[in-house]
Amino acid sequence: DAKTTQPTSMDCAEGRAANLPCNHSTISGNEYVYWYRQIHSQGPQYIIHGLKNNETNEMASLIITEDRKSSTLILPHATLRDTAVYYCIVSALGDYKLSFGAGTTVTVRA
Amino acid sequence: EPEVTQTPSHQVTQMGQEVILRCVPISNHLYFYWYRQILGQKVEFLVSFYNNEISEKSEIFDDQFSVERPDGSNFTLKIRSTKLEDSAMYFCASSEDGYRKTYGYTFGSGTRLTVV
Repeated sequence: DAKTTQPTSMDCAEGRAANLPCNHSTISGNEYVYWYRQIHSQGPQYIIHGLKNNETNEMASLIITEDRKSSTLILPHATLRDTAVYYCIVSALGDYKLSFGAGTTVTVRA
Repeated sequence: EPEVTQTPSHQVTQMGQEVILRCVPISNHLYFYWYRQILGQKVEFLVSFYNNEISEKSEIFDDQFSVERPDGSNFTLKIRSTKLEDSAMYFCASSEDGYRKTYGYTFGSGTRLTVV
């Protein structure tokens, strides 16, 4: 019942931008795209979310395609501390639960 | 930065015993959640709680589970008779705005429950 598809893993060089793709081709008009990450079995950490416009905060940028069928999370300057599992989640307003998939394991290398 | 606090960080219990996992959500948050993660598996939703009642629960959250907000600050998850398969990391989360999800959820660091 996965609503999103993410690569299993990816590597990134420290100091470079990390671009994490996510496909959500069946997204509905009222569903938002959320990104969370989990560092080594700690609690998930909220990163960013958006509906259709691109969003940016102090942690990352979220680029959503015009048809909303895919998105990209951008970590502008990856550090070793950004090594984590990154989850792309689609969820509608009024849905209390977040459905986590397997996510993308991102390893930032020095 | 405000945090969700969970205690204990690790609990070992005998099969069949009752356990209570405790959480202190962020003070101005109104919506509270429990999730769990069995080792090596996905994070799974258990229950959401608002205005002193359960707003949504998953199939995992059966009669063995209950939640309570006994006072103005704590939020607890009780497992009445633990089974081996209840061994997992349990995460508490809270949010200011559960319906609009304006700000995302803040998760605690988790309680690792080991049933022996």
